[in-house]
Amino acid sequence: AQKITQTQPGMFVQEKEAVTLDCTYDTSDPSYGLFWYKQPSSGEMIFLIYQGSYDQQNATEGRYSLNFQKARKSANLVISASQLGDSAMYFCAMKGGSYIPTFGRGTSLIVHP
Amino acid sequence: SQTIHQWPATLVQPVGSPLSLECTVEGTSNPNLYWYRQAAGRGLQLLFYSVGIGQISSEVPQNLSASRPQDRQFILSSKKLLLSDSGFYLCAWSFQGAYNSPLHFGNGTRLTVT
Repeated sequence: AQKITQTQPGMFVQEKEAVTLDCTYDTSDPSYGLFWYKQPSSGEMIFLIYQGSYDQQNATEGRYSLNFQKARKSANLVISASQLGDSAMYFCAMKGGSYIPTFGRGTSLIVHP
Repeated sequence: SQTIHQWPATLVQPVGSPLSLECTVEGTSNPNLYWYRQAAGRGLQLLFYSVGIGQISSEVPQNLSASRPQDRQFILSSKKLLLSDSGFYLCAWSFQGAYNSPLHFGNGTRLTVT
């Protein structure tokens, strides 16, 4: 069985600063993918970034990077230079051999001006 | 490129009335399709997923059902809505058989059962 844990229900960051959103996972599948999604107040779920279990390098997409530590089973999302528009819910998710995704409970991020 | 359409965007229905939410995907064939529900301020609950026409798996027992009459069409239905069915419903698709394929979501349907 897969499990995703996001321990931070809410986070606050000052505009232009970096913020790290935590995600730990558990799976017995040797091959899996890790994903982060952003959900603004309007409700749509936006795919941000992907990390594969065999990827040697941390994934980056613009201001988003994924700090992947396989031995610790963590896949933290780092947002650099936060912007007011980054205020949203952020969900960590994974897919393993069953191809059925598992989502965490989410972290609410508020960016202060 | 692929797109996903979900409608309606909002819906207010009385208790006991039927429900039909529709989702279609364009630009790909034989996708995996998913229905999720999200209660206010909560995480995502997987309701149904489908790997092909007529193949539906249910994750949570409830008074909802899903159908996939065509390859890229996914329908969520209920014969009689309950108050507890209120929530935000999201349809999503991904490529078949790939753990590295992200889910791509529709814009969601906000359902209020009164």
